[in-house]
Amino acid sequence: DAGITQSPRHKVTETGTPVTLRCHQTENHRYMYWYRQDPGHGLRLIHYSYGVKDTDKGEVSDGYSVSRSKTEDFLLTLESATSSQTSVYFCAISGNRANTEAFFGQGTRLTVV
Amino acid sequence: EDKVVQSPLSLVVHEGDTVTLNCSYEVTNFRSLLWYKQEKKAPTFLFMLTSSGIEKKSGRLSSILDKKELFSILNITATQTGDSAIYLCAASNSGAGSYQLTFGKGTKLSVIP
Repeated sequence: DAGITQSPRHKVTETGTPVTLRCHQTENHRYMYWYRQDPGHGLRLIHYSYGVKDTDKGEVSDGYSVSRSKTEDFLLTLESATSSQTSVYFCAISGNRANTEAFFGQGTRLTVV
Repeated sequence: EDKVVQSPLSLVVHEGDTVTLNCSYEVTNFRSLLWYKQEKKAPTFLFMLTSSGIEKKSGRLSSILDKKELFSILNITATQTGDSAIYLCAASNSGAGSYQLTFGKGTKLSVIP
């Protein structure tokens, strides 16, 4: 298995609180991604990174920010969590060349109450 | 806007049946088509296709890409209950130094004994 660790694995938080999810990789891969998965929507890209301090928005970026200060860590922050952000969040990484597959972390189940 | 459409969204078959899952895509700067299997947790990689007409095969699973008609199929022969999962199709694109995956909503396959 690719070396990807997401933390925490489960979290319950209250509406309006900030939340940070962490993705850590040991593969030295260039690309890192945050997706959310919801019933009926599949996997949707939130933000991605193509290098240290290089990030860009995905399809559903509103309400989320990211940071990548080191190759191995990609953080996803919900500045003020809302119930619509209740979801399963997956981090993925892919290699340094085009046409390489993405590998997924085990996911974080976030519930906003 | 990049788009990946999978059909059917769900499918119930009996053990031993053969199934075909469909994936069509409209992606700017298309690079490759990927298939993933998702059971209870993270998606796991099955195939990556970059060239038209070349079948990729792994055991009872096979896949092929048609870049002219912009679709791919995933075939599973002699299905087993362990094949029950959500099968995800993703199209990768590249541009301006980045590399993204756009996913379809998935096909939920249920194999009954």
